[in-house]
Amino acid sequence: NAGVTQTPKFRILKIGQSMTLQCAQDMNHNYMYWYRQDPGMGLKLIYYSVGAGITDKGEVPNGYNVSRSTTEDFPLRLELAAPSQTSVYFCASASADVNEQFFGPGTRLTVL
Amino acid sequence: AQKITQTQPGMFVQEKEAVTLDCTYDTSDPSYGLFWYKQPSSGEMIFLIYQGSYDQQNATEGRYSLNFQKARKSANLVISASQLGDSAMYFCAMRPRPGAGSYQLTFGKGTKLSVIP
Repeated sequence: NAGVTQTPKFRILKIGQSMTLQCAQDMNHNYMYWYRQDPGMGLKLIYYSVGAGITDKGEVPNGYNVSRSTTEDFPLRLELAAPSQTSVYFCASASADVNEQFFGPGTRLTVL
Repeated sequence: AQKITQTQPGMFVQEKEAVTLDCTYDTSDPSYGLFWYKQPSSGEMIFLIYQGSYDQQNATEGRYSLNFQKARKSANLVISASQLGDSAMYFCAMRPRPGAGSYQLTFGKGTKLSVIP
């Protein structure tokens, strides 16, 4: 069981570039999430999904897009990267019958 | 809307002593879940303990216990017999009631715990 995996671990982008952060889980969880963590802060929800084909905005969705074509994968797309998107990004998954929310190892993104 | 407040930016504790990390919350939901996560300097999020709002007893997991006072809307984490490896950021988080949509977590800003040898 790999749990929740994220790629890449680190990335440096130039302003205006685009990229996709990959997230996959092998626990057959319906619920998946993207959070961002700014320095010295807690995590804030960007987008979430309650199942394949269903996504919705969280607290800080501007500048991001997501898709959920399969139960396993939940990629996060950054269009026109800005310095304000410099952060650590965590993907997580959960199911209705388990209290724990499982987190990936995170992606550290720097936009210069 | 749900809100988590952690008022202690940093805490120090002597090795082998107990320490309490404070967490207060605000919600209008009658049913909810409360979590504590540990984030060491390596960055990963480690689940520690969960408390349901209707659970009759306070949750315990090894050296971790959750002091849940529903009327005061507090969910403090107690770590007994602190170890050097407990030095980390600790986050309190809340989830809506089961069945209320997406189970997303709302996090506090965290408390940095430093264990002194």
